[in-house]
Amino acid sequence: GAVVSQHPSRVICKSGTSVKIECRSLDFQATTMFWYRQFPKQSLMLMATSNEGSKATYEQGVEKDKFLINHASLTLSTLTVTSAHPEDSSFYICSAKQAETQYFGPGTRLLVL
Amino acid sequence: GENVEQHPSTLSVQEGDSAVIKCTYSDSASNYFPWYKQELGKRPQLIIDIRSNVGEKKDQRIAVTLNKTAKHFSLHITETQPEDSAVYFCAATYNFNKFYFGSGTKLNVKP
Repeated sequence: GAVVSQHPSRVICKSGTSVKIECRSLDFQATTMFWYRQFPKQSLMLMATSNEGSKATYEQGVEKDKFLINHASLTLSTLTVTSAHPEDSSFYICSAKQAETQYFGPGTRLLVL
Repeated sequence: GENVEQHPSTLSVQEGDSAVIKCTYSDSASNYFPWYKQELGKRPQLIIDIRSNVGEKKDQRIAVTLNKTAKHFSLHITETQPEDSAVYFCAATYNFNKFYFGSGTKLNVKP
């Protein structure tokens, strides 16, 4: 099946710094990727839809200036958490859409100290 | 936007018994309903899905039913095994544009 990777898998940063997370579709091209946030023992919350070559579409309540998304190529989308704070600590998962299926990355655990 | 509700939040069954997880959705336009299994610390994996033009779909021990009129769909796992223990999420989408997830059900299959 299709493979989606994420990097890094785990990151610890200081409050106020920015963190970039990469999502790559390894064996297929994805014009659309999704970014989710998952709190412990909770569901996946859709943050934004990343479209190659155009601006991302953010869900209500998600700050676009804080969570910068860039989908520069058909195999790469990046999520940058700017000026991170402890409340941004979470598990971030991306997915890439191929035809009628979305394939999830392994997730990135962010801890902001 | 779409609102997906899922019940129960936790479910314990004895090995060999059946498990049923139910979801409701709010947007009547939603036309695709996947189910995902997520093991601890791992990514969600698609286990079965159903489209709005189908009422039921089965794949070995797993089945999904859909009631469009009532806007609810259910996951049925028969002859449960310990390896079925995981968190299960339902989701709904219109034309695969955005996927909205239920709150998840933690299934525990006791040997």
